[in-house]
Amino acid sequence: NAGVTQTPKFQVLKTGQSMTLQCAQDMNHEYMSWYRQDPGMGLRLIHYSVGAGITDQGEVPNGYNVSRSTTEDFPLRLLSAAPSQTSVYFCASSRGYSGNTIYFGEGSWLTVV
Amino acid sequence: KNQVEQSPQSLIILEGKNCTLQCNYTVSPFSNLRWYKQDTGRGPVSLTIMTFSENTKSNGRYTATLDADTKQSSLHITASQLSDSASYICVVSPSYNNNDMRFGAGTRLTVKP
Repeated sequence: NAGVTQTPKFQVLKTGQSMTLQCAQDMNHEYMSWYRQDPGMGLRLIHYSVGAGITDQGEVPNGYNVSRSTTEDFPLRLLSAAPSQTSVYFCASSRGYSGNTIYFGEGSWLTVV
Repeated sequence: KNQVEQSPQSLIILEGKNCTLQCNYTVSPFSNLRWYKQDTGRGPVSLTIMTFSENTKSNGRYTATLDADTKQSSLHITASQLSDSASYICVVSPSYNNNDMRFGAGTRLTVKP
């Protein structure tokens, strides 16, 4: 049971480039989300999904797109990378939308130069 | 202003000693409070979840307490081990929805032999 799997682990982008961070979970969880973690700050929610075909914005959605075509996958797309998007990104999932244990992936370290 | 404040920012203790980490929050209303452990370079892992009706929850050598009246929580680690070296994150939710969580910046604990 792999849990929540994120790829790539590390990525360096040039300003203006686009890329997709992949996230997959094998626990049949309805709820999936993306966070970013910056030094000295708590995790901040970028986008989330309560099921296939349903996505919504979190606290810091600008510059990011998501889609949820299957229960298992929830990719995060950076449309035109900016240095301010240098961060560590975590994908998370949970069974249901409310109050359940949230499982995080191992993180993706992104540097935009 | 961050609604979840953790103290201290960092802490160094000797192996075998106990320690207590603090979390003060201003989130209102209050639904539940979670503690996560995050090893360096890894994703957060859930330790405990407490609702407003619970004032203590244990997970092995980890014991979380909650005082909803004073809006304070603490995480007590007993008989510390080298593997306890990690960041500990307090997360408070005003509702039961998983997209509505407020993360603290964490306390960095180092356990030395």
